Amino acid sequence: AQTVTQSQPEMSVQEAETVTLSCTYDTSESDYYLFWYKQPPSRQMILVIRQEAYKQQNATENRFSVNFQKAAKSFSLKISDSQLGDAAMYFCASSMDSNYQLIWGAGTKLIIKP
Amino acid sequence: NAGVTQTPKFQVLKTGQSMTLQCAQDMNHEYMSWYRQDPGMGLRLIHYSVGAGITDQGEVPNGYNVSRSTTEDFPLRLLSAAPSQTSVYFCASSYSGALNTGELFFGEGSRLTVL
Repeated sequence: AQTVTQSQPEMSVQEAETVTLSCTYDTSESDYYLFWYKQPPSRQMILVIRQEAYKQQNATENRFSVNFQKAAKSFSLKISDSQLGDAAMYFCASSMDSNYQLIWGAGTKLIIKP
Repeated sequence: NAGVTQTPKFQVLKTGQSMTLQCAQDMNHEYMSWYRQDPGMGLRLIHYSVGAGITDQGEVPNGYNVSRSTTEDFPLRLLSAAPSQTSVYFCASSYSGALNTGELFFGEGSRLTVL
């Protein structure tokens, strides 16, 4: 079965510092997408960043960037200059399923210390 | 912009009662889906639809029914609520052409408690 694993249930970081959230996945597919979604206390899921598996260049969106290691099946999220508004649950997901359904990790709770 | 609207936001049911969670989107998305979110677990797909009149089961469909009579609406029905259905439910939509890119637009969620 295809799986997405987030091994860090909770992470904390000092405001303005950098934090990296880990995600690993298992698939036999060659073409897929990987995502990081953010869920703030308001509960609504928001797409943070997306990576296409066939692209070698790591995706970046302002303070958010990924470290995509296809051979290692690793997809970590780096948040630079952490802000209080970054506090949320972060979910890693992949569209590896043949029906294009997303497969989700269990989430990492990110705490920002002022 | 309304986006994806879910109602109700909170609901308490007794075991055996039935109810419908409403979901509406105003983005003309072909694809709509329902997920449940439980503590310590990722989102799990209940049912999805790729267009009006077309629905299919996801990972955890038992105890739930859906229909898609219009592009805008995708209600989720609990036929006979059980405590195991206590969860937070999310409706999500997307353009069909973006399915494999996975960019979903989510509602704010509905917290359901079954006593």
